[in-house]
Amino acid sequence: EDQVTQSPEALRLQEGESSSLNCSYTVSGLRGLFWYRQDPGKGPEFLFTLYSAGEEKEKERLKATLTKKESFLHITAPKPEDSATYLCAVQAVRGSQGNLIFGKGTKLSVKP
Amino acid sequence: NAGVTQTPKFQVLKTGQSMTLQCAQDMNHEYMSWYRQDPGMGLRLIHYSVGAGITDQGEVPNGYNVSRSTTEDFPLRLLSAAPSQTSVYFCASSYSLGLENEQFFGPGTRLTVL
Repeated sequence: EDQVTQSPEALRLQEGESSSLNCSYTVSGLRGLFWYRQDPGKGPEFLFTLYSAGEEKEKERLKATLTKKESFLHITAPKPEDSATYLCAVQAVRGSQGNLIFGKGTKLSVKP
Repeated sequence: NAGVTQTPKFQVLKTGQSMTLQCAQDMNHEYMSWYRQDPGMGLRLIHYSVGAGITDQGEVPNGYNVSRSTTEDFPLRLLSAAPSQTSVYFCASSYSLGLENEQFFGPGTRLTVL
């Protein structure tokens, strides 16, 4: 069964304290792994797509990496505005095209 | 572009009532989908459509119906609401089924069934 597990469930950081969020996955053939950001009361907002092991993508203070079993979202010198829930999702080769399997998310809080 | 819009933003229903959650996109996207988000659970796919006139079931389709008569609109119907359908519902769309599958999400509809 295709599955996505995110850890930790919640993370509290001080402003400037770098850390990483983890997304481990079990899928029968990976088409792509996606990271989304979700602010309270809003829909998820797309951040990155990763396709193959070894791939990395960056956007401002965020950097996403991918291995054959997991992905990391590294946050460097976070600011309070980075506070949000970060969602990881995978798209499998098997099954309906375009459909995403989501993890439960990591709620990040950055204190000034 | 307005992107993906959803109405209403909030809704309270009594058990057994029916209603339609509206979703529209103005990006000419072929692929549209409905998810529900519950506390402690990830987003779960309800129904999806790969184009006008084509729909299919996702992970949790029971109790929901959809249709896709135009590219722009993808309404979700609850025929007889149950308390288990209390959730936040998100509509999403993407341009194609290709690997660059950035899905755009709407702002959500928060539904409470009493």
